[in-house]
Amino acid sequence: LAKTTQPISMDSYEGQEVNITCSHNNIATNDYITWYQQFPSQGPRFIIQGYKTKVTNEVASLFIPADRKSSTLSLPRVSLSDTAVYYCLVVERGKLIFGQGTELSVKP
Amino acid sequence: GAGVSQSPSNKVTEKGKDVELRCDPISGHTALYWYRQSLGQGLEFLIYFQGNSAPDKSGLPSDRFSAERTGGSVSTLTIQRTQQEDSAVYLCASSYRDRGETQYFGPGTRLLVL
Repeated sequence: LAKTTQPISMDSYEGQEVNITCSHNNIATNDYITWYQQFPSQGPRFIIQGYKTKVTNEVASLFIPADRKSSTLSLPRVSLSDTAVYYCLVVERGKLIFGQGTELSVKP
Repeated sequence: GAGVSQSPSNKVTEKGKDVELRCDPISGHTALYWYRQSLGQGLEFLIYFQGNSAPDKSGLPSDRFSAERTGGSVSTLTIQRTQQEDSAVYLCASSYRDRGETQYFGPGTRLLVL
């Protein structure tokens, strides 16, 4: 099964760009990569999903290299309200695999 | 429209008792998922229902755990003979068709086994 790994924690300051990378070394060619955000005492919330290259929406960008063994979530100009845990999710051979989450702390 | 709802919000039980957790998915969503999240940990997949197909139970940690989905809508997760290590937040999610799509999560049920 794919093993997904993320940094456990990251610190940033308001206004900076934050990049969080998830490694998924055995993802199949037809799987999407999805990122979720979770605040304390809430369920995760969808941020962005991609299959290859680059995807951008109103809140984030997702970069996926050609080998798809990793993906990078990019949050432009973070604010204090972006302090949360970020999870990557891959589906490999029909199995749902979440990363362990990256706790992002944004400081003023 | 309404999101995914779960009940109860919190449940305290004694070791050895059975508990039932309920999930109401978004109307029209055919895929439903249960996850477990222990304190400070990531999400652990438990079970997945998709339409009328046989559920994927590969994530259930033991035979004390079971789940059903009646009428393709509401789902109940049952934990029999609860143990202290079952204490966690149990999250339910639904998506429109299958596991490749965006999942919408409920707020979770916080279970504490004394």
